[in-house]
Amino acid sequence: GAVVSQHPSWVICKSGTSVKIECRSLDFQATTMFWYRQFPKQSLMLMATSNEGSKATYEQGVEKDKFLINHASLTLSTLTVTSAHPEDSSFYICSARPLRTSGNYEQYFGPGTRLTVT
Amino acid sequence: GNSVTQMEGPVTLSEEAFLTINCTYTATGYPSLFWYVQYPGEGLQLLLKATKADDKGSNKGFEATYRKETTSFHLEKGSVQVSDSAVYFCALSDWGSGGYQKVTFGIGTKLQVIP
Repeated sequence: GAVVSQHPSWVICKSGTSVKIECRSLDFQATTMFWYRQFPKQSLMLMATSNEGSKATYEQGVEKDKFLINHASLTLSTLTVTSAHPEDSSFYICSARPLRTSGNYEQYFGPGTRLTVT
Repeated sequence: GNSVTQMEGPVTLSEEAFLTINCTYTATGYPSLFWYVQYPGEGLQLLLKATKADDKGSNKGFEATYRKETTSFHLEKGSVQVSDSAVYFCALSDWGSGGYQKVTFGIGTKLQVIP
């Protein structure tokens, strides 16, 4: 079945540095990938939607210059947290929608990346 | 905007007990409804779905019925097992203003089943 991986699974960085998180669809091509953020005891919040070869669409309140998203191929999207601060510490989850999917419900989720900014 | 409300939990049950996790939603359109499950250390997995009113989604003994009149999608299982211990997310999917699907999640309910 459709598998989505994320790398790294856990990262600790110092305040002011940048961190890149990768999201890969391992056995399918994804036209669209989604990035979510999950705070403890809270729901997943959609940050942005990225389509291969075009600019990402960010949700209201998400700083696009801080959370850089690149969807360079049909199997890879990256999220870069620039100039990270402790308040950016969170669990980041990506999902991918397969190519030529009918209906509006097929998304496959990665295992998440825990970011801790010290 | 769309929203999903579910009981916060945690819910602790004995093995073979009956499970109900309530979920209600608010949506402007005609969303599809889902339950996702997240086992410890793993990503979200689709458990079941329903795409229109009165549809019943079912999988692994879990069921949920899309009730448009009560805007609900409650998750049920007749006899839970220890292996069902996980966090369960209710969610809806609808088309966003940009022409792409957007999923809205509930807060997640942690289920712990004890032997």
